Amino acid sequence: AQSVTQLDSQVPVFEEAPVELRCNYSSSVSVYLFWYVQYPNQGLQLLLKYLSGSTLVKGINGFEAEFNKSQTSFHLRKPSVHISDTAEYFCAVSLNQAGTALIFGKGTTLSVSS
Amino acid sequence: DVKVTQSSRYLVKRTGEKVFLECVQDMDHENMFWYRQDPGLGLRLIYFSYDVKMKEKGDIPEGYSVSREKKERFSLILESASTNQTSMYLCASRREGRTYEQYFGPGTRLTVT
Repeated sequence: AQSVTQLDSQVPVFEEAPVELRCNYSSSVSVYLFWYVQYPNQGLQLLLKYLSGSTLVKGINGFEAEFNKSQTSFHLRKPSVHISDTAEYFCAVSLNQAGTALIFGKGTTLSVSS
Repeated sequence: DVKVTQSSRYLVKRTGEKVFLECVQDMDHENMFWYRQDPGLGLRLIYFSYDVKMKEKGDIPEGYSVSREKKERFSLILESASTNQTSMYLCASRREGRTYEQYFGPGTRLTVT
């Protein structure tokens, strides 16, 4: 069965520090990969996605992610975080099969403090 | 600007009541989804719909049903609400095709007492 594992449930960091949120997936078929962000009391918003091509993907708000097929990972990074980046982050996969919805990880709460 | 709207942000219902959660999208998307979100469990798929009058069970369909009579509207129905259905419910829509992202509504926080 396919699954998505976000390795850290909570990540506390100080403002202007770099951050990495880790995501691993398992699938017997090829996948498309997504990162979403959820700010307090809001729905989910797409940060970035990997479909094909360059394994380094740039998204909104200065975030980027790297697809590593051999390690089945899609880690999210930002070189310098702001207080406003405090939110919950979800990694998701879309299987390359007809009739499937996104499969989400359990989320990582990023807390940025000054 | 794309938009997915949900009928209520907050809802309080009593055990045993029939509950309707409505979702409307204005993007002419073929696919629509209902998820529930619980702390530590992430998003779990309840039902999704490929197109009008089409539906598929997700991972946790028990206790829920859905209706999609029009392309823009996807309703989630709790036939007899129970306290373990207290949760945040998120609706999403997507253009047909696995490479497209899902667009989410703001969510409905349902409390069943």
